[in-house]
Amino acid sequence: QVQLQESGPGLVKPSETLSLTCTVSGDSISGYYWSWIRQAPGKGLEWIAYIYYKGDTDYNPSLKSRVIISVDTSKNQFSLRLSSVTAADTAVYYCARGHHDFWPWGQGTLVTVSS
Amino acid sequence: EIVLTQSPGTLSLSPGERATLSCRASQSVSSNYLAWYRQKRGQAPRVLIYGASSRATGIPDRFSGSGSGTDFTLTIRRLEPEDFAVYYCQQYGSSPRTFGGGTKVEIK
Repeated sequence: QVQLQESGPGLVKPSETLSLTCTVSGDSISGYYWSWIRQAPGKGLEWIAYIYYKGDTDYNPSLKSRVIISVDTSKNQFSLRLSSVTAADTAVYYCARGHHDFWPWGQGTLVTVSS
Repeated sequence: EIVLTQSPGTLSLSPGERATLSCRASQSVSSNYLAWYRQKRGQAPRVLIYGASSRATGIPDRFSGSGSGTDFTLTIRRLEPEDFAVYYCQQYGSSPRTFGGGTKVEIK
């Protein structure tokens, strides 16, 4: 079955750029939409963005000015870049399949913003 | 942006009891595009219900969803030990996709 795995630095300094990659295994990334969702410690879920394998995107307006989502079909991966991070961006970042409901999800990766 | 308000914040019940969770939207959810998730501690959420009332693949029939427009309900017919967790509703009828604040179902 399809599995997703997030990877990237667990610690990012304030004002720098957070970069994460989601590697999809067990199925092709083609034909689907893919999303990033985050969850601050002890808080609820926030959808960040989605991308279609052909490159169509949609972003949460609250983050749109700082976010880029991209896809690499040759590597079966998609990625997230979030610029000018602050402590408020500290969260577990999940990748997931879909742009309506989301399933499956990766296990999540904690990214802490701190100097 | 559609704001989803879940109630109650915490539900204290015993195994075997029935749980009723509410999700209210600030405006009508297009085509009843509403999903429910269960998140166990330390895990990613798992979709239970989509389209307000359709069970996702592999989800047992003790879970049911209902509602339309702005008012939606998730019912768990008989709570199993693994059901003590946090539940989120999420709408995908419009952008941005939004989640409710969650309902924690705890053991009484």
